[in-house]
Amino acid sequence: AAGVIQSPRHLIKEKRETATLKCYPIPRHDTVYWYQQGPGQDPQFLISFYEKMQSDKGSIPDRFSAQQFSDYHSELNMSSLELGDSALYFCASSLERGGLRRTKETQYFGPGTRLLVL
Amino acid sequence: AQKVTQAQTEISVVEKEDVTLDCVYETRDTTYYLFWYKQPPSGELVFLIRRNSFDEQNEISGRYSWNFQKSTSSFNFTITASQVVDSAVYFCALSGHNQAGTALIFGKGTTLSVSS
Repeated sequence: AAGVIQSPRHLIKEKRETATLKCYPIPRHDTVYWYQQGPGQDPQFLISFYEKMQSDKGSIPDRFSAQQFSDYHSELNMSSLELGDSALYFCASSLERGGLRRTKETQYFGPGTRLLVL
Repeated sequence: AQKVTQAQTEISVVEKEDVTLDCVYETRDTTYYLFWYKQPPSGELVFLIRRNSFDEQNEISGRYSWNFQKSTSSFNFTITASQVVDSAVYFCALSGHNQAGTALIFGKGTTLSVSS
């Protein structure tokens, strides 16, 4: 079965540079989430999109922005990178069932992008 | 506020031992979802199980079993006859229900080391 695709898998940047991470959700999934996982820590929610609209916002720095495009892929843009931004960035996707019996479906994670800021 | 507590930071067992990973959660939502994810040394997050708050039936999948008890707000995970390949960090997570895009709240994780 198709899984969530993230690119690049590894990225090395200098301080103050910018980075763009890409996420391609599982086909027919309409919700995308971004998480940041620092070394030895649990994943922390950054932001999510449902049907191309921002739906929830977590601890995302103002230096970061994200969007979901018409083909449902999403990009996380990171500017003025800092050493502390070095982390594993996960994208996850799920299918939100609408209607009267709205339910939350399982979030399936991509392999992650490992960002190292020097 | 929502919170997930995994009190066990690290557990070490020998192959074929049974091991239980504890998870306690807090939420004010009446409908919520609980998950377990596995993160092997390679780094990916692998979905193991999802449980809805209105379904307290326990589940068994091969060597894995889960015990959900709303009365104690716990969702514990047991591995029977552990194997070296079970070595990983295991995360318990909680999600609310009220709106689209609700994030997962993770516990701090339990690192399981299984030696041969």
